Amino acid sequence: AQKVTQAQTEISVVEKEDVTLDCVYETRDTTYYLFWYKQPPSGELVFLIRRNSFDEQNEISGRYSWNFQKSTSSFNFTITASQVVDSAVYFCALSTLITGGGNKLTFGTGTQLKVEL
Amino acid sequence: EAQVTQNPRYLITVTGKKLTVTCSQNMNHEYMSWYRQDPGLGLRQIYYSMNVEVTDKGDVPEGYKVSRKEKRNFPLILESPSPNQTSLYFCASSFSGTSSYNEQFFGPGTRLTVL
Repeated sequence: AQKVTQAQTEISVVEKEDVTLDCVYETRDTTYYLFWYKQPPSGELVFLIRRNSFDEQNEISGRYSWNFQKSTSSFNFTITASQVVDSAVYFCALSTLITGGGNKLTFGTGTQLKVEL
Repeated sequence: EAQVTQNPRYLITVTGKKLTVTCSQNMNHEYMSWYRQDPGLGLRQIYYSMNVEVTDKGDVPEGYKVSRKEKRNFPLILESPSPNQTSLYFCASSFSGTSSYNEQFFGPGTRLTVL
């Protein structure tokens, strides 16, 4: 069975601090994809990044960076110089194929990030 | 604009009164699915559809029905809603369900309260 664990329920930081959101996953599939989504207070889900199971290169996009380590089954997300607009719930998700057909996203429980002035 | 739309966005209803939440996508996607989001549980898949007339249960299908008569539409039906179905519901679509690569595009969500 697939599982995604986001152990940090809530994180509070002061603006301009760096913050890392942890994500640990479990799967027996050899091919899978990992995603991060942002859910701002307005409620919609915003896609941030996709990473496949064969690509362990870290990725940086502006203030955002992702560290994928297959050896520890982790896909952590770092925000550098956080801003108030980063305040949101962040979900890590694992995409795998369902036996018999279908594509399933298994979500973690989310991390609520609060960035204060 | 490529999008997934859901209606209604907010709904308050009473136990036992049948309701339908509509979902429509304009991207010609084959694959569609429904999720519910509950505090402390993240999002969980309710039902999914590989294509027209092909639907299957996700992790939490009890109390829900779906249909896929047209490629663009995937309504979620609650025949007899109960308070434990109070939740935030998301519809999603992707190009295909045959690869875990495909990004799922999410609708804006429907907040349902069952009294």
